[in-house]
Amino acid sequence: DIQLTQSPSFLSASVGDRVTITCRASQGISSYLAWYQQKPGKAPNLLIYAASTLQSGVPSRFSGSASGTEFTLTISSLQPEDFATYYCQRLNSYPLTFGGGTKVEIK
Amino acid sequence: QVQLVQSGAEVKKPGASVKVSCKASGYTFSHNYMHWVRQAPGQGLEWMGIIHPTDGSTNYAQTFQGRVTMTTDTSTNTVYMELSSLRSEDTALYFCARASTVTTGPFDYWGQGTLVTVSS
Repeated sequence: DIQLTQSPSFLSASVGDRVTITCRASQGISSYLAWYQQKPGKAPNLLIYAASTLQSGVPSRFSGSASGTEFTLTISSLQPEDFATYYCQRLNSYPLTFGGGTKVEIK
Repeated sequence: QVQLVQSGAEVKKPGASVKVSCKASGYTFSHNYMHWVRQAPGQGLEWMGIIHPTDGSTNYAQTFQGRVTMTTDTSTNTVYMELSSLRSEDTALYFCARASTVTTGPFDYWGQGTLVTVSS
């Protein structure tokens, strides 16, 4: 199975900071990658799909990019409501897999 | 608006089975595959499998092969996930999630989650 390695697993940042989370696939997955935000006790929320397409209704401070098998989620200016856990997910073949998650906490 | 409403929390003994429902509304049920994902306490997300809403074809994660059964009821726009031979490690929050029809098929709507607790 194709594995996703997400880093860092934990990130401490301040409001207004630029934050970058990376997800590396063990093999090529084209652009079959999505990013989700999850808050405690809630279902995940889709942020980015096809590596770089912003889901409707998601603030433009979120962006995604790809270079080969490395994918990046960037939050340009962290807001209080952005403190959450973020997951990448690959969708190119079964079994679908998620990255291990990145918890973004207030510094 | 699209809604996925799941059944309530369950407490089961080891060795038992649990069946979780996910009722869809606000869109044409036949247009979107449905996935199941679980999350153990304090852990990450784990994909369990996918079901076609009308023909009932499925693809299960190898981890759950032989223990999971996903079914669909087009008369009520509901999908079901049954997990058998439960063990304590199956204690988790179980989600249904709709596959979007946009490119690459991400999960655009999720149910609220159903907590399944396995305890003797």
